Amino acid sequence: DVKVTQSSRYLVKRTGEKVFLECVQDMDHENMFWYRQDPGLGLRLIYFSYDVKMKEKGDIPEGYSVSREKKERFSLILESASTNQTSMYLCASSFLAGATNEKLFFGSGTQLSVL
Amino acid sequence: RKEVEQDPGPFNVPEGATVAFNCTYSNSASQSFFWYRQDCRKEPKLLMSVYSSGNEDGRFTAQLNRASQYISLLIRDSKLSDSATYLCVVNPPGGGYNKLIFGAGTRLAVHP
Repeated sequence: DVKVTQSSRYLVKRTGEKVFLECVQDMDHENMFWYRQDPGLGLRLIYFSYDVKMKEKGDIPEGYSVSREKKERFSLILESASTNQTSMYLCASSFLAGATNEKLFFGSGTQLSVL
Repeated sequence: RKEVEQDPGPFNVPEGATVAFNCTYSNSASQSFFWYRQDCRKEPKLLMSVYSSGNEDGRFTAQLNRASQYISLLIRDSKLSDSATYLCVVNPPGGGYNKLIFGAGTRLAVHP
């Protein structure tokens, strides 16, 4: 079965800190995604990547950047954490580039609190 | 108006009950539709895709009504283990995963 692993389940950071969220998938998927999930808002796409070193902005990229140096790893970076970035962050991957019916596999999430 | 809207619930039902959720979407040209299930403090997992002709998987039936722009999920013979949040996901025109729009979810609580 596909495994998407996020490095931390809970993180507490201070305002202004640089934060790295790591995600690794073990099934050679081309696509990887970072979402945030907030109560009442649903999942919102921050960034996605369809290949190594390729990235595209999602709906809410402001305040975030990403890195995909290897196919299996997709990192989300908060350059200077702010309190409004307190959220649940979910990484996901999928197999076929450009397909719309392929299943999304999610990691178990990182609950980030910025104080 | 939100692009994808769901009744947040919670829907509290006894075991064995039949329960149905609707999800409305604003873009009439949306291409594909899905239901995901998310257990408390866990990640979302695909429950089923929703086809134009409707589809069934055991106790679960998903239907699409393009004229009224909603999809539905029907759960028959509810089990305690069905307690979860059900996310409606819509892929609007243009396709591609970067376009997937998630609803905020409907919470279901099945009690003994």
